[in-house]
Amino acid sequence: GAVVSQHPSRVICKSGTSVKIECRSLDFQATTMFWYRQFPKQSLMLMATSNEGSKATYEQGVEKDKFLINHASLTLSTLTVTSAHPEDSSFYICSSRGNVLGETQYFGPGTRLLVL
Amino acid sequence: RKEVEQDPGPFNVPEGATVAFNCTYSNSASQSFFWYRQDCRKEPKLLMSVYSSGNEDGRFTAQLNRASQYISLLIRDSKLSDSATYLCVVNADSWGKLQFGAGTQVVVTP
Repeated sequence: GAVVSQHPSRVICKSGTSVKIECRSLDFQATTMFWYRQFPKQSLMLMATSNEGSKATYEQGVEKDKFLINHASLTLSTLTVTSAHPEDSSFYICSSRGNVLGETQYFGPGTRLLVL
Repeated sequence: RKEVEQDPGPFNVPEGATVAFNCTYSNSASQSFFWYRQDCRKEPKLLMSVYSSGNEDGRFTAQLNRASQYISLLIRDSKLSDSATYLCVVNADSWGKLQFGAGTQVVVTP
């Protein structure tokens, strides 16, 4: 299957700092990338949909000024958690979908964020 | 009511036995259905798509019942490596937006 990478795999930061997470599609052009968040024992919750070259579409209840998404190329999307707080600690996962892959989404390995 | 609902389990299954579980979805317009597998602290991985006529992939069989809006997954001859959380996933729109259930945990025991 298609390969999607995420970096970093885990990060620990102090409250108030910003954290950038990168999501890369390694062997296909991802026209659309999705960012999810998963709290323990809960389902993946879609945060935003990112299309290359356009502004991301955020789900209801997700603050666009707090979770900045940039999808500047067909292989890279970034999520920046600005002024992170302990309640932002979670498992952040991106997924990519390209035209050649149809509807199937492939997930990155996830980034575990812990805000102290 | 959640868009996609699953029995959280856990389903404790002896090795070699069969286990089956369902998932219900609320959006009658949904067209695409999937089962993903998620291991502890890992990302979800596609197990199989679910087709209208039902489909099988090795020991795994998926069924779709549009009238009752549920899909099912059956695992035959369970292996220890089948222990995982199985996520029911339904498309929310034509743009690829997916809705996830919270998952059904399966524990296969020796």
